[in-house]
Amino acid sequence: QVQLVQSGAEVKKPGASVKVSCKASGYTFTGYYMHWVRQAPGQGLEWMGWINPNSGGTNYAQKFQGRVTMTRDTSISTAYMELSRLRSDDTAVYYCARPRRPILTGYHRDFDYWGQGTLVTVSS
Amino acid sequence: QSVLTQPPSVSGAPGQRVTISCTGSSSNIGAGYDVHWYQQLPGTAPKLLIYGNSNRPSGVPDRFSGSKSGTSASLAITGLQAEDEADYYCQSYDSSLSEGVFGGGTKLTVL
Repeated sequence: QVQLVQSGAEVKKPGASVKVSCKASGYTFTGYYMHWVRQAPGQGLEWMGWINPNSGGTNYAQKFQGRVTMTRDTSISTAYMELSRLRSDDTAVYYCARPRRPILTGYHRDFDYWGQGTLVTVSS
Repeated sequence: QSVLTQPPSVSGAPGQRVTISCTGSSSNIGAGYDVHWYQQLPGTAPKLLIYGNSNRPSGVPDRFSGSKSGTSASLAITGLQAEDEADYYCQSYDSSLSEGVFGGGTKLTVL
């Protein structure tokens, strides 16, 4: 069965960086994009970007360009999202999400599997 | 301010029918991009409820249905049950932003 297991909660100071991992199992990791979505406390969902685990290609939301880096390690089927220059309003739960359809279909905009979420708290 | 606009809250009694709207523009829903819906129970990750405007993934009850017209989409829930109490989000793609976008979310209360 498909599983996305994320790393544990983090507490960071303003200006620091955080790297969240998402380990995939139960499917071919390189066959599906991986997206990242975040949710601030009591707020809605916010799309951050995606990585193509096969090629390493990425696409980031304009809001996060220059601060976010998405990478992957295919040998351990794990995707990473690193956010730098953290601010207090980056406090949120960060989710990885796998699209329903594989890379080969060229359509990857709806997500049928999600990680459990990683709470990142930014506080001085 | 979300690109897709949803009502902050809706409510209904058990057994009733409720609808949740998702209003976009000519650069997203109106441009023909698909709308997807997610259900998020408190403290859990979102769950795909409707994909491609009106399709239900396996395991989603047929009490949930989706539709799309023009620059808007709707999620309908019939035979409301207590366990439907959750937050609901619509999602699409915006060509002017070249990004995926979510609605602000709607909290459904079962009275």
